[in-house]
Amino acid sequence: QVQLQESGPGLVKPSQTLSLTCTVSGASMTSGGYYWTWIRQRPGKGLDWIGYIFYSGGTYYDPSLESRSTISVDTSKNQLSLKLNSVTAADTAVFYCARGRISASVHFDVWGQGVVVTVSS
Amino acid sequence: SYELTQPPSVSVAPGKTARITCGGKSIGSKSVHWYQQKPGQAPVLVISYDRDRPSGIPERFSGSKSGNPATLTISRVEAGDEADYYCQVWDTKSDHVVFGGGTKLTVL
Repeated sequence: QVQLQESGPGLVKPSQTLSLTCTVSGASMTSGGYYWTWIRQRPGKGLDWIGYIFYSGGTYYDPSLESRSTISVDTSKNQLSLKLNSVTAADTAVFYCARGRISASVHFDVWGQGVVVTVSS
Repeated sequence: SYELTQPPSVSVAPGKTARITCGGKSIGSKSVHWYQQKPGQAPVLVISYDRDRPSGIPERFSGSKSGNPATLTISRVEAGDEADYYCQVWDTKSDHVVFGGGTKLTVL
């Protein structure tokens, strides 16, 4: 059974970099066929796709976040990471990692439980 | 950029049928996926590829797409179905993911 677990600091100061990690268990990220994905949900709002990465390194980002976002993988640790630069209070959110299954389309069949990140001084 | 439109809220009495729509330009050419999110929980996939139900999802959940919009139908609604529902597509031109704004289903 594939499981995803997000981790990272719950509080980040404005203008700093938010760094999160997602540990994948029950499957190897190098098995192919998946986009490893970050999604956020701001308080009381809907789901925002941040971006995803293929295990070999190809990345895609939402245009509104691309300039501040970096997604990477560490296949030796079976981990996915997100760095979001120059954060503001508007970046306060629950951040989810998810497995995007690639076929004729992309959909998310496994999700982490989410990690709450608050941006505040 | 591509956009998906959902009604903010839908209300239905227990035992009745709820229909949640998802509209977008040329949505007929895209595969639509649906997620259920209960308060404080991560989203769960309930329908993929317009109408495919993942293992463990009750048969009461079904999806359809005849032109525009796509529709998630929940038959014989139960109190436990009260949740936010999101549609999602993959834009093949940009290789980007798009979510609808979400619909809050209230069971009266």
